[in-house]
Amino acid sequence: DAGVIQSPRHEVTEMGQEVTLRCKPISGHDYLFWYRQTMMRGLELLIYFNNNVPIDDSGMPEDRFSAKMPNASFSTLKIQPSEPRDSAVYFCASSLDRTGVDEQYFGPGTRLTVT
Amino acid sequence: GEDVEQSLFLSVREGDSSVINCTYTDSSSTYLYWYKQEPGAGLQLLTYIFSNMDMKQDQRLTVLLNKKDKHLSLRIADTQTGDSAIYFCAEWGDTGRRALTFGSGTRLQVQP
Repeated sequence: DAGVIQSPRHEVTEMGQEVTLRCKPISGHDYLFWYRQTMMRGLELLIYFNNNVPIDDSGMPEDRFSAKMPNASFSTLKIQPSEPRDSAVYFCASSLDRTGVDEQYFGPGTRLTVT
Repeated sequence: GEDVEQSLFLSVREGDSSVINCTYTDSSSTYLYWYKQEPGAGLQLLTYIFSNMDMKQDQRLTVLLNKKDKHLSLRIADTQTGDSAIYFCAEWGDTGRRALTFGSGTRLQVQP
C-alpha cells in the first residue's frame, strides 16, 4: 500500500482565499484524522471520522474550517477564508478499528503558508 | 483534561544511549505511544506500551512506564545519527473518544 496520501504537499495562498487540502487514507482503514502542527501549539487534533461519519470536531478552530469525507477513500479539509494564523503543517492520518493498539498512520503533511 | 509533557531538546553523542522522558496526567490511559517525526515527514509509530506493563523492549528501544508517577521514558541504545528526529509521546485514554493526546515533542540531536 502507498500509505496515506496528501495533496498538495505545499500550498501558498493569500489571506482571504479558499484553501482545500486533500487526503486519501490507507485502503481498509475506517478511521481518519486531521491534525494541525505549529511551533506554538504543537500537534492538535482537528477532527476525526469513523466510517466516513464525523465523530468529534471539537478541535476545529472556528467556522472557517470544514471537513468532509464523501467516501472511504477521500477526505478534504477546507479553510474559507484563510488567514495568516492558519499557516501550519496539516496532517491526515488513518487507522483500523480493532481492540487494542490504535496505530495511526500519518501522511507526509501539507505545509500551508497564508500571506 | 489530558495533558502530556516532554522536554523540548536532547543532544547526545553517537553511540551513547538516549533517554527521552514524558509525563502525563490522564490516569485512565490505556496505551502509551512513542512516535518519531523526521524532517519534512509525518509521524511514524515507533513503539507502544499497554498500561499494565512496566517495560517493553524492542531491539534498540526500551520503554519504561511508571504508572504511579505517570512517567514514561524511551531509551535508545547505541544512538545513531539516523535517530536524529523529533520524538512524540502520546496517550490514549479509556474515555470512548478515539483520539490520541500528543506531547509537544522532544528534538533529539545526535552528534557524530
